[in-house]
Amino acid sequence: DTGVSQDPRHKITKRGQNVTFRCDPISEHNRLYWYRQTLGQGPEFLTYFQNEAQLEKSRLLSDRFSAERPKGSFSTLEIQRTEQGDSAMYLCASSESSPFSGNTIYFGEGSWLTVV
Amino acid sequence: GNSVTQMEGPVTLSEEAFLTINCTYTATGYPSLFWYVQYPGEGLQLLLKATKADDKGSNKGFEATYRKETTSFHLEKGSVQVSDSAVYFCALTAYSGAGSYQLTFGKGTKLSVIP
Repeated sequence: DTGVSQDPRHKITKRGQNVTFRCDPISEHNRLYWYRQTLGQGPEFLTYFQNEAQLEKSRLLSDRFSAERPKGSFSTLEIQRTEQGDSAMYLCASSESSPFSGNTIYFGEGSWLTVV
Repeated sequence: GNSVTQMEGPVTLSEEAFLTINCTYTATGYPSLFWYVQYPGEGLQLLLKATKADDKGSNKGFEATYRKETTSFHLEKGSVQVSDSAVYFCALTAYSGAGSYQLTFGKGTKLSVIP
């Protein structure tokens, strides 16, 4: 069990450019989540996958954001036409699929995005 | 809706002092409660959890008890160390209606422990 891994850990991009983050969840976990965390705030839910199906999206996920999990394993989060307000840490997480509220959601170390 | 309120920081303590970080919540249904810790520059690590009323979660000397009557989940540690310096997040999971349980976080409390 290598945990949730994210790549890249840090990304600096110019406003208007596109960026893509990758997440590899814990191997036996069917559920994968994306969260966003800005400085001084707690993480906020963006979207969630059960296997390859994207089942829920937050209203925080604007049209410039797209997430995929094509084979039900790794996931990508793409931000198009980045804006300075997109600067944040993007956290990926995974969990088991049983419908139990107490299942632990395990987080990766996050991908820091700075838009200049 | 679901929400978590935790005491604002920063909290600065001397080594070996007693720590309490208050956390209260509102939730639809019967949530599970969590404390996560975030060390500088890192992601979130689960510290402890409790899934039903009166359960006590504990780990690394930290404890928190699920109090349904007061809707609280306060984090405590009897003797803090410099290595406990981090940001602590209280969180809950509640059914999202889309077949999953989403985490709702508080804003975090930064703890600094000085030698």
